[in-house]
Amino acid sequence: GAVVSQHPSRVICKSGTSVKIECRSLDFQATTMFWYRQFPKQSLMLMATSNEGSKATYEQGVEKDKFLINHASLTLSTLTVTSAHPEDSSFYICSARSEVKAETQYFGPGTRLLVL
Amino acid sequence: AQTVTQSQPEMSVQEAETVTLSCTYDTSENNYYLFWYKQPPSRQMILVIRQEAYKQQNATENRFSVNFQKAAKSFSLKISDSQLGDTAMYFCAFMKRTGNTGKLIFGQGTTLQVKP
Repeated sequence: GAVVSQHPSRVICKSGTSVKIECRSLDFQATTMFWYRQFPKQSLMLMATSNEGSKATYEQGVEKDKFLINHASLTLSTLTVTSAHPEDSSFYICSARSEVKAETQYFGPGTRLLVL
Repeated sequence: AQTVTQSQPEMSVQEAETVTLSCTYDTSENNYYLFWYKQPPSRQMILVIRQEAYKQQNATENRFSVNFQKAAKSFSLKISDSQLGDTAMYFCAFMKRTGNTGKLIFGQGTTLQVKP
């Protein structure tokens, strides 16, 4: 149980285009999901907290107009990287917080984004 | 603000031997959780072990155990009988328990190589 999926797993796009990444909790409901960014051999950097039915809370320094987050249902959150540039190339990871075990986050497998 | 520090960027251990990964943290909170996550080459984040700060007993999960020293704000991970599959990046993480937004604060990570 407690599986989180991400789609796509890898995406290559041209500079200036927008890319949408989906994060789904497959067998549990998650009112809170988190989006992280990770550079090679570095730690996870929290970008934003996604709350079902309300606006996302962004961490300091993260552009909310650049990284659009929508949490439309209890099992789905999306991250859209708008007008992507090569510096947005990174590994993006989502996690979903269990309502049954609020201290536990379950992580998706990540999405590798390459912007050419 | 809470911080988590992992002072060992890289470590190696021979298969079947024991290794200890260090983690220190700083917080003014009294109620919190501490975690160790494993990120293998697949980059899927996997929860290894969880410790609740109000519990004095050190958590154990099979070959994995922690040494939780609350006064010293230290939370080390011991891996016994190391296996090749333990090769991964390990992250120590902190989560407040009260007023819990569910945010995880990660350390910088320690890359562990298990050698045959």
